[in-house]
Amino acid sequence: NAGVTQTPKFQVLKTGQSMTLQCAQDMNHEYMSWYRQDPGMGLRLIHYSVGAGITDQGEVPNGYNVSRSTTEDFPLRLLSAAPSQTSVYFCASSPLQGRSSYEQYFGPGTRLTVT
Amino acid sequence: QQQVKQSPQSLIVQKGGISIINCAYENTAFDYFPWYQQFPGKGPALLIAIRPDVSEKKEGRFTISFNKSAKQFSLHIMDSQPGDSATYFCAASISGTYKYIFGTGTRLKVLA
Repeated sequence: NAGVTQTPKFQVLKTGQSMTLQCAQDMNHEYMSWYRQDPGMGLRLIHYSVGAGITDQGEVPNGYNVSRSTTEDFPLRLLSAAPSQTSVYFCASSPLQGRSSYEQYFGPGTRLTVT
Repeated sequence: QQQVKQSPQSLIVQKGGISIINCAYENTAFDYFPWYQQFPGKGPALLIAIRPDVSEKKEGRFTISFNKSAKQFSLHIMDSQPGDSATYFCAASISGTYKYIFGTGTRLKVLA
């Protein structure tokens, strides 16, 4: 199993540009989520999904969109990038049933810089 | 009320010593408390987790102590090793809400 994969690893955007951060998991997990990690602030939840077709907002959703058309994929879209979105972005997944329910598996991250 | 306060921000421990990281919360509805370990350039990895029906959980050299009345929980790393040098995050969640609140992290350095 590849686990949780994220692409790209690094990205530089200009203010106002749009882009999509990709996330995929091959563990058939129902739950997927996106976090941003900023120095001194821990991880903050952006959006999450509990299954295909179901998404909801986390703590810091403004400026980001998500969709979940399949169990495996959960892309994060930046509609109009701003310097405040410079961060490291992590995707995570977890099962919602069974002994490992709620145990999140994180991807390797995408480091995004907006100039 | 949704915050999880983590301390210390950084910690230096000698090899073989005990590392202790503390977290405190306000929301008594939290019922799942995981700890994550993160190495530089990597994603966080689940280390150990506890639910409030037990006061302590041990996995190898890692122990979570949970004090429900004080609304605090802590991670103890026994016999700390240089390979344990990483950033540690506590987190809290309410079952069924699918939302996790993370602490701000503790950077641990274990000296050889």
